Amino acid sequence: DIQMTQSPSSLSASVGDRVTITCRAGQSISSYLNWYQQKPGKAPKLLIYAASSLQSGVPSRFSGSGSGTDFTLTISSLQPEDFATYYCQQSYSTLYTFGQGTKLEI
Amino acid sequence: EVQLVQSGAEVNKPGESLKISCKASGYSFTNYWIAWVRQMPGKGLEWMGIIYPGDSDTRYSPSFQGQVTISVDKSISTAYLQWTTLKASDTAVYYCARVATWIHQYFFDFWGQGTLITVSS
Repeated sequence: DIQMTQSPSSLSASVGDRVTITCRAGQSISSYLNWYQQKPGKAPKLLIYAASSLQSGVPSRFSGSGSGTDFTLTISSLQPEDFATYYCQQSYSTLYTFGQGTKLEI
Repeated sequence: EVQLVQSGAEVNKPGESLKISCKASGYSFTNYWIAWVRQMPGKGLEWMGIIYPGDSDTRYSPSFQGQVTISVDKSISTAYLQWTTLKASDTAVYYCARVATWIHQYFFDFWGQGTLITVSS
């Protein structure tokens, strides 16, 4: 399995802040990295695929970068609806492992 | 409009069998892999396995191999996740998701609403 490690596990921020979440892969995964947002009691929602491609309908304040083993998700100016848990996922291998999640709190 | 609609919540006893469903609409069901993902209470997402409805090719996470069975019925655009012997540790929300592809990249672009399975004596 390719291990995916996110940091931090939780993060406190305020509306308007710029926030960065990091995801590290246990081996090089090129750009095979996706990001999802999950709100309590809801299904996950795809934000970013292929490390930096914004999914249709996702606000442009979300962006992704990185390749190889180190990746980041950045929210340029936090909005109230962005407080949620964020997961990275590798698709380099068909085991499609997720990171443990980063909970973004006020 | 792409939709994945899952079957309703279940409460079962340890040792019982169970099959939950995920009905797809709004796209060509046989052309996209379907994935199943587990989320235990208060925990993160775990990929369980995927199936290609076109030919029923199925891949499992080693953590779930032999514990569950993934199947499809193409005639009704529905994917299934089943257990023969439930355990208390199977208590979780289970999601199905469509696996999209783009230049050899794979990602889960549409998700079902989730099915809560509670296993308790």
